[in-house]
Amino acid sequence: QSMLTQPPSVSGAPGQSINISCAGSSSNIGAGSDVHWYQQLPGTAPKLLIYGNSNRPSGVPDRFSGSRSDTSASLAITGLQAEDEADYYCQSYDRSLTVVFGGGTKLTVL
Amino acid sequence: QVQLQESGPGLVRPSQTLSLTCTVSGDPMRRGGFFWTWIRHHPGKGLEWIGYAYYTGITFYNPSLRTRVIISVDTSKNQFSLNLTSVTAADTAMYYCATDVYGPPRNRFDTWGQGIQVTVSS
Repeated sequence: QSMLTQPPSVSGAPGQSINISCAGSSSNIGAGSDVHWYQQLPGTAPKLLIYGNSNRPSGVPDRFSGSRSDTSASLAITGLQAEDEADYYCQSYDRSLTVVFGGGTKLTVL
Repeated sequence: QVQLQESGPGLVRPSQTLSLTCTVSGDPMRRGGFFWTWIRHHPGKGLEWIGYAYYTGITFYNPSLRTRVIISVDTSKNQFSLNLTSVTAADTAMYYCATDVYGPPRNRFDTWGQGIQVTVSS
């Protein structure tokens, strides 16, 4: 069982906006650990999408944004495009000295 | 720009040892500065951090795997390796090597290999 909880799936129509939540606890996100997000397109390795809660690596469109509050974090995607259809994972660090991932959220663009 | 490539057997017998290698190119390992990481992805489940090794030999492992895993670094070959002993079907997964520049507690994985599918079956 993942220490970070994500919804199994979300969906939206092209052009719409969606949010993916990532619920943690006082031993990881709530302890101040950074949250990072990864995008995994079908058949490919995960790719760093958001780092340090809200920062985008070079080349990531500004349609993607991240936020963190208390013991949870959120990934927002605006102006959905067909190529955004992928699995999304949040990741943080737990005080048990463990790197923790969410269970992943499958985004379907309708 | 670091590039990573996993290699190893795609099929391992139960109770045997899973051994994978990650070859690093684009940035000599001996310069240090990276935590060399293994992560796996079980079919239909989320990602699982296995552990990482710093070039000095310091290692950090997932507590759930600690008794069975060893990650080692060979800077002379620009490679790092994963050994997972006493495997069962539950170890069937896609295995990725990755780099982490910051280490704990700011771990994040900037570069990933393409992954290698490992199946545990007799």
